Parts: sequence; C-alpha cells; structure tokens
Amino acid sequence: EVQLVQSGAEVKKPGESLKISCKGSGYSFTNYWIGWVRQMPGKGLEWMGIIYPGDSDTRYSPSFQGQVTFSVDKSISTAYLQWSSLKASDTAMYYCVRDPRGTPTTYFDYWGQGTLVTVSS
Amino acid sequence: QSVLTQPPSASGTPGQRVTISCSGSSSNIGSNIVNWYQQLPGTAPKLLISGHNQRPSGVPDRFSGSKSGTSASLAISGLQSEDEADYFCAAWDDSLNGWVFGGGTKLTVL
Repeated sequence: EVQLVQSGAEVKKPGESLKISCKGSGYSFTNYWIGWVRQMPGKGLEWMGIIYPGDSDTRYSPSFQGQVTFSVDKSISTAYLQWSSLKASDTAMYYCVRDPRGTPTTYFDYWGQGTLVTVSS
Repeated sequence: QSVLTQPPSASGTPGQRVTISCSGSSSNIGSNIVNWYQQLPGTAPKLLISGHNQRPSGVPDRFSGSKSGTSASLAISGLQSEDEADYFCAAWDDSLNGWVFGGGTKLTVL
C-alpha cells in the first residue's frame, strides 16, 4: 500500500527555522517525484514545487523560490521541506504529494496527511 | 485570488446530478489537462479525476470530468451524502510555470 506519512504539527516563533518531513513507503521512492502543496487556513491549494528523489532534481514554483528548500534522504525514503526564517504568513497546512511524471500531464495520486505549521509570537 | 475560478458553493439533493465549473485561460486549461481533487472535511485532498476523464481505482463512475476551451467541469451523478466535500480543479499554467488550482467549491448535499 502506497503511503506518505508526514511529521507532526509544529508551533514556531517568527524568525525560527523549521524542517518537516514526508516518508514514502509501499513503492519505489526514487522513481516518483515528491511535491509540496500549501493550504492556508480556510483557503485553497497552492503548488510549491517538486523534487525527484532519484537525483534531487528540484523545481520550485516562482511564488516559493527562495522562500523554502526541498531535500531528500533516499536512504530512508524521506523528503523534507525547510524554512530558514519563518514568518507569520507561513502558517498553513503543508501536504506532500506523489507525482508520477513531474510534467504538465501529471497528477498527484497520493497525498500525505498534512503537517500543520503555526508561526506566532 | 485563485488563477482558476470555481463557484464557492454548490448543492443538490440525494440522487440528483450536480456540475461544478472551473474557468481558466489559454495558458492553463486551454492548453493543458485538468485534474480534480476531493477534500472530505478534516482530511487531505485525494485525486478524483486525472487528465482525460481518468478515474483512479476506487473512484465511482458517478464522477466524470470534461473540458471545453478554457473551461472544465466536474459532474457528479446520483449524488450521495458522502459526496459532501470541497472540490478543487487544477491545471499546469505555461505562463506561471507551475500548477494552479481553483479556489475550491464546497458541495452540500441537502
């Protein structure tokens, strides 16, 4: 069974750093792109970008370029989303998704359960 | 303000057929496939329809997608109470170089 299991909820202060995780299982982790999607409270979905665990090829949405960093650790089938200095506006639910193709013809066929990030002073 | 435009709400009674629209432009829906996602209350979204009306295993054939020009639609026939959820359309945008979503439509089963 394909599963994406994300790390637990986080409460941070503005200016702090954070790294959340997404562990894939039930499939060949290195053969599928992992994407990240943001959902701000009561709002819609926003695509942040994708990373290919096989070679760490990374593509950021222009809206998130320079704001976050994607990484992977193939040895433990885990992808990461990282902030170096959080802002209150980063408060949101973050989902990791499996992306079979990494192209405009793709789709997000499996979703993690989400990690709620709250940034407040 | 989402790039793709969906009505914020829709409703129907059990057994009825409901459609949800998704309007875009030539740089997204007009030139790329449209996917639909369902988000049940308090849960993560899940893939409902991909590309040319493809349904993942487990999704009933009551759900169907279509596209015409720069608009797309999701149709749900034989509406059931468990269909009450938020529905999002998505497409690749060639100008923005990324996936864009609609703002979501909250479907209520009366």
